[in-house]
Amino acid sequence: NAGVMQNPRHLVRRRGQEARLRCSPMKGHSHVYWYRQLPEEGLKFMVYLQKENIIDESGMPKERFSAEFPKEGPSILRIQQVVRGDSAAYFCASSPPKRSYGANVLTFGAGSRLTVL
Amino acid sequence: GNSVTQMEGPVTLSEEAFLTINCTYTATGYPSLFWYVQYPGEGLQLLLKATKADDKGSNKGFEATYRKETTSFHLEKGSVQVSDSAVYFCALDENTSGTYKYIFGTGTRLKVLA
Repeated sequence: NAGVMQNPRHLVRRRGQEARLRCSPMKGHSHVYWYRQLPEEGLKFMVYLQKENIIDESGMPKERFSAEFPKEGPSILRIQQVVRGDSAAYFCASSPPKRSYGANVLTFGAGSRLTVL
Repeated sequence: GNSVTQMEGPVTLSEEAFLTINCTYTATGYPSLFWYVQYPGEGLQLLLKATKADDKGSNKGFEATYRKETTSFHLEKGSVQVSDSAVYFCALDENTSGTYKYIFGTGTRLKVLA
């Protein structure tokens, strides 16, 4: 009964390189969310995906960031040409389809910590 | 827009002391409210939740009551332990259709000394 699995846990990149972060949702969950936690700050919503479909990307930076959740395999958050300001913890969360009432609880992964040198 | 405001940390307490971490929110409609805990090097874990006014969420000795009149959801524990040292996040779910776009507070770091 694995929870939300994220990898890598730690990733170091030099400025200008690409970073790829992967997230496998909890079994039975079809919705994936990515959040970013900058140092000493709370989590900020980035994007919400279902299989093969981006539902809400209102929190994604306009450039260099993209996300996908293919029919097979994990969800991937991709950051191109990384800069030092991208250094953060990136958390993935998953959920079952949203219910019509009641509390909607996200299950979070342990996060991927990106350091840009 | 909707927002969550938490008391700033760090909060340092002795073991067995009483804990309060304040959380207030602004939201339209009827949000659900949550407390998540993040232990060092780990992800967020749901600690407790409340879905409507006057609901009390509780877990592991922690409690929080959804107060609509004061728009608050303060976290309390009667006797903290060293193992409670962590960062605590207050969050709300706007309960609008379609997404779980949680809004998080900035987190409050708690350090409990033996």
